[in-house]
Amino acid sequence: AQSVTQLGSHVSVSEGALVLLRCNYSSSVPPYLFWYVQYPNQGLQLLLKYTSAATLVKGINGFEAEFKKSETSFHLTKPSAHMSDAAEYFCAVSNNAGNMLTFGGGTRLMVKP
Amino acid sequence: KAGVTQTPRYLIKTRGQQVTLSCSPISGHRSVSWYQQTPGQGLQFLFEYFSETQRNKGNFPGRFSGRQFSNSRSEMNVSTLELGDSALYLCASSLSGGVSTDTQYFGPGTRLTVL
Repeated sequence: AQSVTQLGSHVSVSEGALVLLRCNYSSSVPPYLFWYVQYPNQGLQLLLKYTSAATLVKGINGFEAEFKKSETSFHLTKPSAHMSDAAEYFCAVSNNAGNMLTFGGGTRLMVKP
Repeated sequence: KAGVTQTPRYLIKTRGQQVTLSCSPISGHRSVSWYQQTPGQGLQFLFEYFSETQRNKGNFPGRFSGRQFSNSRSEMNVSTLELGDSALYLCASSLSGGVSTDTQYFGPGTRLTVL
């Protein structure tokens, strides 16, 4: 069964600093991996997804993630944090049938002025 | 194009009651999935429906059930509510439910509080 681990339930960065949110997966087959963002009192919004086409995936709002099979990782990065990036971020992996997501515990990103 | 809508947005029930939540997917989407979000357990998959058929089910007790109508709208029902059922219930829709090929669009959720 697939699983996802997000290291760090809370991450704090200064505005303009690099954002790095960590995600490691456990999967017996090549996975489909996703990053979602959740703003307060809202649902989830897809940031980006990896479907084996390219190891470096670019998403919305300047975010990107790199799939590293040797490290079983799919970390999310953004070169320069904005105040508007403050939210909770979830890494997820799909099942083999592609109709179910398993989410990590989430990382709350705080951006300091 | 309108997004995924969920009604009601907030709900307060007491233990032992039952509740029905509704989800209207984006027009043209035939797959609807439900997730429960709690501070302790995080986001957990409940079930997925496609063309009125449940295709996948998470590890939840039988008190949790759902259905999908011919217009793709979906409802989930929780019977004999327990305090632990307090959560944000999220619905997501996609064209065919294949998350590897489709994009899942999430609604804003229904916040259920059980007293």
